[in-house]
Amino acid sequence: DTGVSQDPRHKITKRGQNVTFRCDPISEHNRLYWYRQTLGQGPEFLTYFQNEAQLEKSRLLSDRFSAERPKGSFSTLEIQRTEQGDSAMYLCASSVGQIYGYTFGSGTRLTVV
Amino acid sequence: KQEVTQIPAALSVPEGENLVLNCSFTDSAIYNLQWFRQDPGKGLTSLLLIQSSQREQTSGRLNASLDKSSGRSTLYIAASQPGDSATYLCAVSLGVDYKLSFGAGTTVTVRA
Repeated sequence: DTGVSQDPRHKITKRGQNVTFRCDPISEHNRLYWYRQTLGQGPEFLTYFQNEAQLEKSRLLSDRFSAERPKGSFSTLEIQRTEQGDSAMYLCASSVGQIYGYTFGSGTRLTVV
Repeated sequence: KQEVTQIPAALSVPEGENLVLNCSFTDSAIYNLQWFRQDPGKGLTSLLLIQSSQREQTSGRLNASLDKSSGRSTLYIAASQPGDSATYLCAVSLGVDYKLSFGAGTTVTVRA
């Protein structure tokens, strides 16, 4: 499979717990993005990496959120002390260059109870 | 701040009808525009990518046009089928800022 892979597909967690999501981009794509999508809305930008460098973080990304991309390969998104408002679909996308557009993964659906 | 609007929010048509989905954006200095399809509970599938220098792109039954000066794009789906039922999202990318700004989508139902 040469697409963008995300794991897990679904995560149900209790409020206050920490969760971590993983994204494996297309191997030759040096740019990796995280977006969050709530029901009935379009995805909203969270952060992006060029290789291992995190170049921008949205104001949506509170201090409870952290993202890493060690060695410029896969990326993880961690949410600490989850809140019910964190319930959403978390989407990862990768790109080899803006002119080629983006490829999205299937997303991780987070439900905080 | 780039605002992207998609009208209508929902659309229901009988099978065989042509679909016309609209997308408007406030900042015309876009780098490119991409149309995506999203099935319920799933990720996004890229349909068409239009560079700012292009006026349209076609793939099979799909055709997307871009008018940068008026801040509009239209996605046409010819001879709709029940399998076309999904949410269609448009997204624009600005200049060196590689972030995508998305509309809220148009949810399409094609009735058999």
